[in-house]
Amino acid sequence: DAEITQSPRHKITETGRQVTLACHQTWNHNNMFWYRQDLGHGLRLIHYSYGVQDTNKGEVSDGYSVSRSNTEDLPLTLESAASSQTSVYFCASSVSRDPYEQYFGPGTRLTVT
Amino acid sequence: DAKTTQPNSMESNEEEPVHLPCNHSTISGTDYIHWYRQLPSQGPEYVIHGLTSNVNNRMASLAIAEDRKSSTLILHRATLRDAAVYYCILMNAGNMLTFGGGTRLMVKP
Repeated sequence: DAEITQSPRHKITETGRQVTLACHQTWNHNNMFWYRQDLGHGLRLIHYSYGVQDTNKGEVSDGYSVSRSNTEDLPLTLESAASSQTSVYFCASSVSRDPYEQYFGPGTRLTVT
Repeated sequence: DAKTTQPNSMESNEEEPVHLPCNHSTISGTDYIHWYRQLPSQGPEYVIHGLTSNVNNRMASLAIAEDRKSSTLILHRATLRDAAVYYCILMNAGNMLTFGGGTRLMVKP
């Protein structure tokens, strides 16, 4: 079955380190998204991509970067991790820019100490 | 972006219907109404979406007011597994989702 996976599921890192979170989908979807969710809040959009070589900033993009070299993957990089980036990160994908549903991964819990 | 307003929390009894309301008075003509839910410790899950007409699927029904300024997600028989945070979101061009606080649904046995 097609799916969307994230790795690692849990990560503890130190302030100032570079961290990369992986997102992989096997639906061949054009769109991919990264969100963060802080305790007790809704999700906020970090970055998104509508296709290979396309990336766009979302609401809370400072300190994060993404690159899209193929359809299946959209890794999220924290250039220099900060304690404020402690959060749960969700990746999602969707087939097109039309208002179809997004499919979400299981999430990565990141703790920056 | 057009915003939605939902109650913070609702309670239901198991095996009874649940009506989750959502107000979106500033909705534009091209906005689709999407509902997602998030079970504890999981990613959001798509539930249903619609534009103008009421919609039904295996998970729920979506009733959209004639003026589109409000909608209601209907779970026909709540189960304990339906306890989650339900998000009502307006989606337009670009397939973008902007999450609000949602409604926390508690289901009592």
